[in-house]
Amino acid sequence: GAGVSQSPSNKVTEKGKDVELRCDPISGHTALYWYRQRLGQGLEFLIYFQGNSAPDKSGLPSDRFSAERTGESVSTLTIQRTQQEDSAVYLCASSDWGQGRRVRRNEQFFGPGTRLTVL
Amino acid sequence: QQQVKQSPQSLIVQKGGISIINCAYENTAFDYFPWYQQFPGKGPALLIAIRPDVSEKKEGRFTISFNKSAKQFSLHIMDSQPGDSATYFCAASFTGGNQFYFGTGTSLTVIP
Repeated sequence: GAGVSQSPSNKVTEKGKDVELRCDPISGHTALYWYRQRLGQGLEFLIYFQGNSAPDKSGLPSDRFSAERTGESVSTLTIQRTQQEDSAVYLCASSDWGQGRRVRRNEQFFGPGTRLTVL
Repeated sequence: QQQVKQSPQSLIVQKGGISIINCAYENTAFDYFPWYQQFPGKGPALLIAIRPDVSEKKEGRFTISFNKSAKQFSLHIMDSQPGDSATYFCAASFTGGNQFYFGTGTSLTVIP
C-alpha cells in the first residue's frame, strides 16, 4: 500500500513568510509524528498526535510553530514568520502503535520529508 | 541535552568488512532501542530494534549488541556491502512516552 507522503518536497521561502507543510500518513495509523532534521544532525522531535487525544507539543521550538491533525488523517505543520534557522528537512512519520493496539513494535514509517530553505 | 549519543560521525569500511556504530544513553527508563537507516533524499526506515531484556538481536547481516549495565548499544553490519552506504541513526524511547530520542547519525560508506 501507499506509504507516508509529504508535500511539498522542497520549499524555498523568504524570511518572515509563513509556510505550511503537509503530511498524509498511512491509512489506519493513529499515531503521527513531526521531526526536524538539520543538516548533519539527528532527528529533533517536534510534535506527536495519537488518535483524538490532545497532541504532545513539547518539542515545538517556539510559538511560531504549530500543527494540526483532523482525526487520523492529514496533518499540517505551520511555521509562521520563518527565520533562517528554520531551514531544515521536516519529516513526518506515522505508526499504528499505541492506544492498546497489539502490535509487535513501535515502527515509525517516515515520509521523504520536506526540505525547507529560508532565505 | 542529547539523550542519546552516537559515534562515530562517519565511517568508511571496505566491502566485506564489519561496520560498527555505537550509541550510549543515560535515561534508564528507556526500554526500546531501534536503529534506522536513511538513504539520501529518503526518510529513515526501521532496520532492527531491541528491548533491554536481551543482550543481542540478529537479523541477517545486522546485529544489535546491548549492554544494559553500561547503558550502551551498538549496531554491527557483517559483510558490509556498497548498498549499505547510508546514514544510520540509533534511537531510544520508553513505554508510555511519546518521544523517540535520536542520535546524531553515522554516515557509512562502504568502498567496493
